[in-house]
Amino acid sequence: NAGVTQTPKFQVLKTGQSMTLQCAQDMNHEYMSWYRQDPGMGLRLIHYSVGAGITDQGEVPNGYNVSRSTTEDFPLRLLSAAPSQTSVYFCASSGTTSGRRNEQYFGPGTRLTVT
Amino acid sequence: AQSVTQLDSHVSVSEGTPVLLRCNYSSSYSPSLFWYVQHPNKGLQLLLKYTSAATLVKGINGFEAEFKKSETSFHLTKPSAHMSDAAEYFCVVSGAPSGGYNKLIFGAGTRLAVHP
Repeated sequence: NAGVTQTPKFQVLKTGQSMTLQCAQDMNHEYMSWYRQDPGMGLRLIHYSVGAGITDQGEVPNGYNVSRSTTEDFPLRLLSAAPSQTSVYFCASSGTTSGRRNEQYFGPGTRLTVT
Repeated sequence: AQSVTQLDSHVSVSEGTPVLLRCNYSSSYSPSLFWYVQHPNKGLQLLLKYTSAATLVKGINGFEAEFKKSETSFHLTKPSAHMSDAAEYFCVVSGAPSGGYNKLIFGAGTRLAVHP
């Protein structure tokens, strides 16, 4: 299993540009999430999904959209990038196998810079 | 509401000495608690987790943590630090379930430096 994969690893955008961060998992997990990591703030939840076709907002959803058309994929879209969205983005997934319900598996991250 | 406070933003130890990373939590119900480690420019790796079984939890790489309900603490320890332990450590509490999904609430992180 590849686990959780994210592309790209690095991205530089200009203010106002749009882009999609890709996330895929091959563990047949129901739950997928997007976090952003900023210095001194830990990870903050942007959006999450409890299954295909179901998404919900996390702590910091403004400026981001998500969709979940398949179990495997959970892309994050930035509609109009702003410098405040400069961050490292992590995708995570988790399943409901007994005893492992809360254990989230993280991708390697995407480092985004908005100029 | 759930919250997590990591009491030290930076901890520095010498190789071979004990490690203590402190974490206090707040939760309105019986929580699940985790410690994750992040090495430089890497993703997050689960070190250990507490889910209401034994209060002393053993994890990977010789780390362990003790859940103390009376003190609302979940401190991470290791008897002898190794150079490879230098990383950032996150204490995490699971939030209330929503649609079967438990949101994770992260502490701000503790950066551990290990000196020769």
